[in-house]
Amino acid sequence: GAVVSQHPSWVICKSGTSVKIECRSLDFQATTMFWYRQFPKQSLMLMATSNEGSKATYEQGVEKDKFLINHASLTLSTLTVTSAHPEDSSFYICSAREKDRGQQPQHFGDGTRLSIL
Amino acid sequence: AQTVTQSQPEMSVQEAETVTLSCTYDTSESDYYLFWYKQPPSRQMILVIRQEAYKQQNATENRFSVNFQKAAKSFSLKISDSQLGDAAMYFCACRNAGNMLTFGGGTRLMVKP
Repeated sequence: GAVVSQHPSWVICKSGTSVKIECRSLDFQATTMFWYRQFPKQSLMLMATSNEGSKATYEQGVEKDKFLINHASLTLSTLTVTSAHPEDSSFYICSAREKDRGQQPQHFGDGTRLSIL
Repeated sequence: AQTVTQSQPEMSVQEAETVTLSCTYDTSESDYYLFWYKQPPSRQMILVIRQEAYKQQNATENRFSVNFQKAAKSFSLKISDSQLGDAAMYFCACRNAGNMLTFGGGTRLMVKP
């Protein structure tokens, strides 16, 4: 089955650090990738949608300069949390939609736990 | 815009019994999909079952089945013969034609041995 690899799975860093999270589709091409954020005991909130080769579309209230998304290839999207602060601590999950299989469910990565000290 | 509501923050079921998790949704689109995802403590998102809105027949996957009431915009999940491994957070989700997936607030399911 389709696999999405998300890396790192857990990162702890100091306030002010920029952190990059990678989302890779291992055995399929992903024209669209989605980035979600999940606070403890809460649901997943869509942050942005990224399409290969174009700018990401951010949801209302999400700072695009804070959360930089790059989707340079059909198998890789990255989310960079710039100058992270403790309030950015959260669980970040990506998902990917297979090229030419738009009706199929999205495939989720295992998530990244981000802890900012 | 679409919204998904799960009115039960927590549910409990005895092992081997049946439990139903509720979900209602609202969407202006005629073409949409509904999903139930399971999120265990590992926080992986595991697809449990899906339903195409244009299909009248309720989806079934082994011990998991749905009761899809399109007019009422209701999409409940029934888990039969509950097992300890079913304990997790369950999220109902609606996906529109643009592939935007909207999640409900989740229901924590506890299974008592």
